[in-house]
Amino acid sequence: GQQLNQSPQSMFIQEGEDVSMNCTSSSIFNTWLWYKQDPGEGPVLLIALYKAGELTSNGRLTAQFGITRKDSFLNISASIPSDVGIYFCAGYQAGTALIFGKGTTLSVSS
Amino acid sequence: NAGVTQTPKFQVLKTGQSMTLQCAQDMNHEYMSWYRQDPGMGLRLIHYSVGAGITDQGEVPNGYNVSRSTTEDFPLRLLSAAPSQTSVYFCASSGYLDTGELFFGEGSRLTVL
Repeated sequence: GQQLNQSPQSMFIQEGEDVSMNCTSSSIFNTWLWYKQDPGEGPVLLIALYKAGELTSNGRLTAQFGITRKDSFLNISASIPSDVGIYFCAGYQAGTALIFGKGTTLSVSS
Repeated sequence: NAGVTQTPKFQVLKTGQSMTLQCAQDMNHEYMSWYRQDPGMGLRLIHYSVGAGITDQGEVPNGYNVSRSTTEDFPLRLLSAAPSQTSVYFCASSGYLDTGELFFGEGSRLTVL
């Protein structure tokens, strides 16, 4: 089946640092999404991207939909302790099920 | 502001026992789905439904049954639990089938001994 390769698997950073993570696929998607899961909670949608090349921001978060439609990245600027959690990328093609990456676990030390 | 409600939050079963994980949403969403989350494996789709009376299999459906008799409810049944089904289960719903935007419940942690 389809797979998303999400990297890095984990990150340990200092408060105030910028963070970058990405997701690649061998398949084309019409939609790329980024979710965040806080400890003990369900994932919550952060950003959705619908067009190749699209760059979208949500506060300190910026995500891009790759031109080839096979990749996406998420940047977090000036990290804070509440950014801790697991970040998942997801790819969606109409008529199929949403596919998730394996997640990037982010730890922030103050 | 209930959103997606899952019960129970925690459950311990013995091998061979059966149980049902409940999921209810109050957003009138047509699409509902069940995922399991295991360490290092991400979220894997078990079953999904695009509307009342319609269900389909996801990536890992073996050992699980679902039904969708109403728009609001989408229970997940384990007929004979196995230790390999120890996991955290998430129910998710969406009102827009063409976007992939999901609302998740808080999860149900299941341990099978």
